[in-house]
Amino acid sequence: GAGVSQSPSNKVTEKGKDVELRCDPISGHTALYWYRQSLGQGLEFLIYFQGNSAPDKSGLPSDRFSAERTGGSVSTLTIQRTQQEDSAVYLCASSPTGGYYEKLFFGSGTQLSVL
Amino acid sequence: DQQVKQNSPSLSVQEGRISILNCDYTNSMFDYFLWYKKYPAEGPTFLISISSIKDKNEDGRFTVFLNKSAKHLSLHIVPSQPGDSAVYFCAAKRARAGGTSYGKLTFGQGTILTVHP
Repeated sequence: GAGVSQSPSNKVTEKGKDVELRCDPISGHTALYWYRQSLGQGLEFLIYFQGNSAPDKSGLPSDRFSAERTGGSVSTLTIQRTQQEDSAVYLCASSPTGGYYEKLFFGSGTQLSVL
Repeated sequence: DQQVKQNSPSLSVQEGRISILNCDYTNSMFDYFLWYKKYPAEGPTFLISISSIKDKNEDGRFTVFLNKSAKHLSLHIVPSQPGDSAVYFCAAKRARAGGTSYGKLTFGQGTILTVHP
């Protein structure tokens, strides 16, 4: 497809379990971003990948969160030992080169519910 | 520490009238501002942006105004249409400094706009 693809669209898990969320950016885009939106909140920056540079992980809320990007394309966000406060919509975005004025193209998100 | 604030959670407007969505920020290092629109079950889509060297940017029915001294920006939609009903997010970016990457946008909480036919 032409847009950013995220899977699954919905994920329900039990507290303490690990989850993996996947993002397929737009083909050719070198910059990839993860954000999350908790209920009633704005989008919160999590992590940013740009080409082969070291990722900006400054937004990851705890060491239970990690992300990787393989081959400069697909990215996986992993949350270990999930907590109820991790429940949110996790949004992935990409942009062509990560240029300062580039707009981000967002996927539809993964709704994560931790019971 | 909410650096970008949208103090109106919702706004209701009649079709054909003007919609004005407001956004305030606290970080004087922000120099680029964007508005995104979000429909339910979809990701946000870019709407319009403005650099801090300007005070106005217009794109069709959408105009963004920036008042740097007041650290305030607003989005005007004229005329408003029912299809404009969505959540609108204000976002800000700061120039790279102290290791800050280009990747981080700071978003407000969003304003739900409802345009009635």
